[in-house]
Amino acid sequence: KAGVTQTPRYLIKTRGQQVTLSCSPISGHRSVSWYQQTPGQGLQFLFEYFSETQRNKGNFPGRFSGRQFSNSRSEMNVSTLELGDSALYLCASSPGQRNTGELFFGEGSRLTVL
Amino acid sequence: AQKVTQAQTEISVVEKEDVTLDCVYETRDTTYYLFWYKQPPSGELVFLIRRNSFDEQNEISGRYSWNFQKSTSSFNFTITASQVVDSAVYFCALSGGRGQGGKLIFGQGTELSVKP
Repeated sequence: KAGVTQTPRYLIKTRGQQVTLSCSPISGHRSVSWYQQTPGQGLQFLFEYFSETQRNKGNFPGRFSGRQFSNSRSEMNVSTLELGDSALYLCASSPGQRNTGELFFGEGSRLTVL
Repeated sequence: AQKVTQAQTEISVVEKEDVTLDCVYETRDTTYYLFWYKQPPSGELVFLIRRNSFDEQNEISGRYSWNFQKSTSSFNFTITASQVVDSAVYFCALSGGRGQGGKLIFGQGTELSVKP
């Protein structure tokens, strides 16, 4: 069974640009969560989607947005990039409606903002 | 507010030593869940264990064991007879009750280095 796939794995952008990251969950998983990992702030929850609806949201500015498609694949977008957005962005999926917190993570997309 | 504290930033041990990773949490929820995840150098976090707030039984899985004490708000993780392959960053995490499963509050992580 294929794991969670995130693309691209690495990318470099400049301040002011925008970026879109993609996440394909494990087949059959309907919930997708996104996390940002930085050396200073650690792992922080961005948002969670289930059946194309945002179910939970973290404390990030409106520049961070996401969506989920009918096949459960998810994308997150960061607009007007800032240097502080440089991070590892991790996507996680879980099977069902009742998310138990047992998450299956991808290897992440490492974003560098110059 | 919910918070998870892992006071140990880095731990270094020699193979076959036992090591305990500490985790202290804060929450006002009466129903909550605690987790440990492992992050190897490849980056993806790997789920190790989940405990709900009503189950204070300790758990053992092979060389791994977990001690949950509500009285001290702690959920410590012990690796017995550590191996080089245990080298990774370990995260303790907390989530609220119903509907909050995908939203985990993580500690800062403890980097474990096991030397041969």
